[in-house]
Amino acid sequence: EPEVTQTPSHQVTQMGQEVILRCVPISNHLYFYWYRQILGQKVEFLVSFYNNEISEKSEIFDDQFSVERPDGSNFTLKIRSTKLEDSAMYFCASGVGDFGPGTRLTVT
Amino acid sequence: RKEVEQDPGPFNVPEGATVAFNCTYSNSASQSFFWYRQDCRKEPKLLMSVYSSGNEDGRFTAQLNRASQYISLLIRDSKLSDSATYLCVVINSSYKLIFGSGTRLLVRP
Repeated sequence: EPEVTQTPSHQVTQMGQEVILRCVPISNHLYFYWYRQILGQKVEFLVSFYNNEISEKSEIFDDQFSVERPDGSNFTLKIRSTKLEDSAMYFCASGVGDFGPGTRLTVT
Repeated sequence: RKEVEQDPGPFNVPEGATVAFNCTYSNSASQSFFWYRQDCRKEPKLLMSVYSSGNEDGRFTAQLNRASQYISLLIRDSKLSDSATYLCVVINSSYKLIFGSGTRLLVRP
């Protein structure tokens, strides 16, 4: 059964650095998403992606963030100039029911 | 008003108990409704869809009341393995999943 995969599972970075979080969604799904969850808090929507472009983005998803689907299979979230408050679990989702295992981002 | 609101719990129940979770949503134009389960430090996993006609899957029953904008989940005969956080999720017209903050369930022996 196809599943969503994410790499890396854990990323530690210094404040101000750029990180790229990678996802391989389920290929025949139409919508792809990035969500984040700060420890102990709710799952928050960041951005949805449909037909190779952003469908909707939240107020969290400012100029610091960008998404790409560079090769038709990978789906990436880039965070420029990371801040301490970007530390969270970042989940990629494909369709409605399929979440990846997440990338734990720690900004020091 | 929050888009999706849940009682945070925790609900602490003995094995075998029946427990009910409630959820309300603010946008009457919401399209679809789901319950997810999330274990500690893991990804949310889809538990079941919610329909106005009710939806049953083994020990789990979900119900939607569109008029009241209210969603429920009933778990019968609780097992230790049911201990988790239960997330109410609403999908809006642009296919965005909106999560409630979750209700934590602890099932004790």
